[in-house]
Amino acid sequence: DIQMTQSPSTLSASVGDRVTITCRASQNINSFLAWYQHKPGKAPKLLIYMASSLQTGVPSRFSGSESGTEFTLAISSLQADDFATYYCQQYTSFPPTFGQGTRVDLK
Amino acid sequence: QVQLVQSGAELKKPGASVRVSCKASGYTFITAYVHWVRQAPGQGLEWMGRFSPRSGGTNYTQKYQGRITMTRDTSSDTAYMELTGLTSDDTAMYFCARGFSGYGRYDVWGQGTLVSVSS
Repeated sequence: DIQMTQSPSTLSASVGDRVTITCRASQNINSFLAWYQHKPGKAPKLLIYMASSLQTGVPSRFSGSESGTEFTLAISSLQADDFATYYCQQYTSFPPTFGQGTRVDLK
Repeated sequence: QVQLVQSGAELKKPGASVRVSCKASGYTFITAYVHWVRQAPGQGLEWMGRFSPRSGGTNYTQKYQGRITMTRDTSSDTAYMELTGLTSDDTAMYFCARGFSGYGRYDVWGQGTLVSVSS
Protein backbone atom coordinates (compact mmCIF):
# COMPACT_ATOMS: atom_id res chain seq x y z
CA ASP A 1 0.00 0.00 0.00
CA ILE A 2 1.09 3.56 -0.65
CA GLN A 3 1.91 5.41 2.58
CA MET A 4 0.89 9.04 2.95
CA THR A 5 2.80 11.01 5.58
CA GLN A 6 1.35 14.34 6.66
CA SER A 7 3.07 17.08 8.59
CA PRO A 8 2.65 18.66 10.97
CA SER A 9 0.22 16.59 13.06
CA THR A 10 -1.03 19.74 14.76
CA LEU A 11 -0.76 23.34 13.68
CA SER A 12 -1.65 26.32 15.87
CA ALA A 13 -2.52 29.48 14.00
CA SER A 14 -4.46 32.72 14.19
CA VAL A 15 -7.16 34.12 11.98
CA GLY A 16 -5.50 35.78 9.00
CA ASP A 17 -2.41 33.57 9.04
CA ARG A 18 -1.17 31.75 5.96
CA VAL A 19 -0.89 28.06 6.75
CA THR A 20 0.57 25.16 4.83
CA ILE A 21 0.20 21.43 5.33
CA THR A 22 2.45 18.90 3.64
CA CYS A 23 1.75 15.36 2.52
CA ARG A 24 4.43 13.02 1.21
CA ALA A 25 3.66 9.88 -0.77
CA SER A 26 5.82 6.77 -0.49
CA GLN A 27 5.85 6.46 -4.28
CA ASN A 28 4.69 8.24 -7.42
CA ILE A 29 0.92 8.87 -7.36
CA ASN A 30 0.60 10.72 -10.68
CA SER A 31 -1.15 13.74 -9.11
CA PHE A 32 -4.05 11.59 -7.87
CA LEU A 33 -4.18 13.46 -4.58
CA ALA A 34 -7.18 14.91 -2.78
CA TRP A 35 -7.47 17.11 0.29
CA TYR A 36 -10.43 16.96 2.68
CA GLN A 37 -11.50 19.13 5.58
CA HIS A 38 -13.15 17.35 8.50
CA LYS A 39 -14.91 18.87 11.46
CA PRO A 40 -16.14 16.89 14.50
CA GLY A 41 -19.59 15.45 14.01
CA LYS A 42 -19.68 16.42 10.34
CA ALA A 43 -18.95 14.67 7.08
CA PRO A 44 -15.57 15.34 5.48
CA LYS A 45 -15.56 17.95 2.71
CA LEU A 46 -13.60 17.70 -0.52
CA LEU A 47 -11.40 20.77 -1.03
CA ILE A 48 -8.86 19.86 -3.70
CA TYR A 49 -8.56 17.02 -6.21
CA MET A 50 -5.88 16.07 -8.74
CA ALA A 51 -3.40 17.79 -6.41
CA SER A 52 -4.33 21.35 -7.41
CA SER A 53 -7.90 21.52 -8.75
CA LEU A 54 -10.26 23.45 -6.51
CA GLN A 55 -13.58 21.68 -5.89
CA THR A 56 -16.63 23.71 -6.92
CA GLY A 57 -17.82 25.97 -4.14
CA VAL A 58 -14.60 25.88 -2.13
CA PRO A 59 -13.19 29.33 -1.31
CA SER A 60 -10.20 30.43 -3.35
CA ARG A 61 -8.07 30.90 -0.22
CA PHE A 62 -7.51 27.14 -0.44
CA SER A 63 -4.93 25.92 -2.94
CA GLY A 64 -2.96 22.78 -3.64
CA SER A 65 0.42 22.21 -5.22
CA GLU A 66 2.84 19.37 -5.86
CA SER A 67 6.51 18.74 -6.31
CA GLY A 68 7.31 15.15 -7.12
CA THR A 69 5.89 13.05 -4.31
CA GLU A 70 5.39 16.02 -1.98
CA PHE A 71 2.04 17.79 -1.91
CA THR A 72 1.01 20.97 -0.14
CA LEU A 73 -2.31 22.40 0.93
CA ALA A 74 -2.19 26.14 1.57
CA ILE A 75 -4.76 28.42 3.16
CA SER A 76 -3.85 31.96 2.24
CA SER A 77 -5.68 33.73 5.07
CA LEU A 78 -7.08 31.48 7.76
CA GLN A 79 -10.71 32.12 8.65
CA ALA A 80 -12.62 31.10 11.79
CA ASP A 81 -14.47 28.46 9.77
CA ASP A 82 -11.19 26.79 8.77
CA PHE A 83 -10.28 25.36 12.17
CA ALA A 84 -10.61 21.64 11.48
CA THR A 85 -8.61 18.53 10.67
CA TYR A 86 -7.26 18.16 7.15
CA TYR A 87 -6.50 14.88 5.39
CA CYS A 88 -4.72 14.08 2.18
CA GLN A 89 -5.67 10.98 0.19
CA GLN A 90 -3.95 9.28 -2.69
CA TYR A 91 -6.27 7.56 -5.14
CA THR A 92 -3.97 6.45 -7.90
CA SER A 93 -4.22 2.81 -6.95
CA PHE A 94 -5.98 0.25 -4.80
CA PRO A 95 -6.31 0.69 -1.91
CA PRO A 96 -6.66 4.45 -1.64
CA THR A 97 -4.95 5.68 1.50
CA PHE A 98 -5.28 8.73 3.72
CA GLY A 99 -2.65 10.65 5.59
CA GLN A 100 -2.94 10.62 9.37
CA GLY A 101 -4.44 14.11 9.45
CA THR A 102 -3.38 17.61 10.48
CA ARG A 103 -5.39 19.40 13.11
CA VAL A 104 -5.48 23.18 12.74
CA ASP A 105 -6.37 24.88 15.99
CA LEU A 106 -6.43 28.35 17.44
CA LYS A 107 -3.15 29.70 18.73
CA GLN B 1 -29.93 18.64 -4.19
CA VAL B 2 -27.39 15.84 -4.36
CA GLN B 3 -27.21 14.03 -1.06
CA LEU B 4 -26.51 10.76 0.67
CA VAL B 5 -28.57 10.00 3.76
CA GLN B 6 -27.42 7.25 6.08
CA SER B 7 -29.29 5.14 8.57
CA GLY B 8 -29.21 5.88 12.28
CA ALA B 9 -26.84 4.93 15.04
CA GLU B 10 -26.47 1.28 16.01
CA LEU B 11 -25.50 -0.42 19.26
CA LYS B 12 -24.32 -3.98 18.79
CA LYS B 13 -22.89 -6.74 20.91
CA PRO B 14 -19.55 -8.39 20.11
CA GLY B 15 -19.95 -11.05 17.45
CA ALA B 16 -23.03 -9.44 15.94
CA SER B 17 -23.43 -7.95 12.48
CA VAL B 18 -24.46 -4.47 11.41
CA ARG B 19 -25.90 -3.18 8.17
CA VAL B 20 -25.67 0.51 7.37
CA SER B 21 -27.70 2.03 4.57
CA CYS B 22 -26.90 5.00 2.36
CA LYS B 23 -29.75 6.46 0.28
CA ALA B 24 -28.81 8.55 -2.70
CA SER B 25 -30.87 11.35 -4.18
CA GLY B 26 -30.42 14.19 -6.63
CA TYR B 27 -28.32 12.26 -9.14
CA THR B 28 -28.44 9.06 -11.16
CA PHE B 29 -27.48 6.40 -8.65
CA ILE B 30 -25.77 4.02 -11.03
CA THR B 31 -23.37 6.61 -12.45
CA ALA B 32 -21.04 6.80 -9.44
CA TYR B 33 -19.26 4.50 -7.05
CA VAL B 34 -20.25 4.39 -3.40
CA HIS B 35 -17.25 4.26 -1.11
CA TRP B 36 -17.28 3.45 2.59
CA VAL B 37 -14.89 5.18 4.97
CA ARG B 38 -14.70 4.82 8.72
CA GLN B 39 -13.22 6.78 11.59
CA ALA B 40 -12.59 5.11 14.91
CA PRO B 41 -12.53 7.30 18.03
CA GLY B 42 -9.44 9.49 18.04
CA GLN B 43 -8.23 8.03 14.76
CA GLY B 44 -8.04 9.19 11.17
CA LEU B 45 -10.04 8.27 8.10
CA GLU B 46 -9.81 4.71 6.81
CA TRP B 47 -11.09 3.51 3.45
CA MET B 48 -12.97 0.22 3.63
CA GLY B 49 -14.09 -0.46 0.10
CA ARG B 50 -16.14 0.68 -2.87
CA PHE B 51 -19.24 -0.52 -4.63
CA SER B 52 -20.44 -0.03 -8.18
CA PRO B 53 -24.22 0.41 -8.24
CA ARG B 54 -24.12 -0.13 -12.01
CA SER B 55 -22.46 -3.53 -12.02
CA GLY B 56 -22.73 -4.63 -8.41
CA GLY B 57 -18.95 -5.01 -8.38
CA THR B 58 -16.99 -4.52 -5.18
CA ASN B 59 -13.44 -3.81 -4.04
CA TYR B 60 -12.68 -4.37 -0.37
CA THR B 61 -9.50 -3.55 1.45
CA GLN B 62 -7.77 -6.69 2.69
CA LYS B 63 -8.35 -5.80 6.34
CA TYR B 64 -12.09 -6.42 5.96
CA GLN B 65 -12.10 -9.27 3.43
CA GLY B 66 -14.40 -12.02 4.64
CA ARG B 67 -16.30 -9.72 7.02
CA ILE B 68 -17.70 -7.03 4.74
CA THR B 69 -20.40 -7.07 2.09
CA MET B 70 -21.56 -4.12 0.01
CA THR B 71 -24.83 -4.32 -1.88
CA ARG B 72 -27.50 -2.10 -3.35
CA ASP B 73 -31.20 -1.79 -4.02
CA THR B 74 -31.55 0.02 -7.31
CA SER B 75 -35.31 0.37 -6.85
CA SER B 76 -34.69 2.72 -3.93
CA ASP B 77 -31.22 4.06 -4.88
CA THR B 78 -29.81 2.72 -1.65
CA ALA B 79 -26.40 1.22 -0.96
CA TYR B 80 -25.69 -1.02 1.98
CA MET B 81 -22.59 -1.99 3.91
CA GLU B 82 -22.73 -5.02 6.19
CA LEU B 83 -19.95 -5.86 8.62
CA THR B 84 -19.98 -9.16 10.51
CA GLY B 85 -18.10 -10.50 13.50
CA LEU B 86 -18.08 -7.15 15.26
CA THR B 87 -15.56 -6.41 18.00
CA SER B 88 -14.98 -3.32 20.09
CA ASP B 89 -12.40 -2.28 17.49
CA ASP B 90 -15.25 -1.77 15.04
CA THR B 91 -16.72 1.02 17.16
CA ALA B 92 -16.51 3.92 14.75
CA MET B 93 -18.33 6.46 12.63
CA TYR B 94 -19.05 4.99 9.22
CA PHE B 95 -19.45 7.23 6.17
CA CYS B 96 -20.59 6.55 2.66
CA ALA B 97 -19.32 8.83 -0.08
CA ARG B 98 -19.83 9.31 -3.80
CA GLY B 99 -16.89 9.00 -6.13
CA PHE B 100 -16.75 9.20 -9.93
CA SER B 101 -13.05 8.89 -10.40
CA GLY B 102 -11.67 5.47 -9.66
CA TYR B 103 -10.76 5.22 -6.01
CA GLY B 104 -10.98 8.82 -4.85
CA ARG B 105 -12.32 12.34 -5.15
CA TYR B 106 -15.40 11.94 -2.93
CA ASP B 107 -17.51 14.99 -3.61
CA VAL B 108 -20.62 14.08 -1.62
CA TRP B 109 -20.68 12.35 1.75
CA GLY B 110 -23.35 10.89 3.98
CA GLN B 111 -23.77 12.36 7.43
CA GLY B 112 -22.20 9.33 9.09
CA THR B 113 -23.54 6.43 11.14
CA LEU B 114 -22.14 5.72 14.58
CA VAL B 115 -21.74 2.02 15.26
CA SER B 116 -20.95 1.15 18.85
CA VAL B 117 -19.92 -2.36 19.84
CA SER B 118 -20.19 -3.19 23.50
CA SER B 119 -21.22 -6.08 25.69
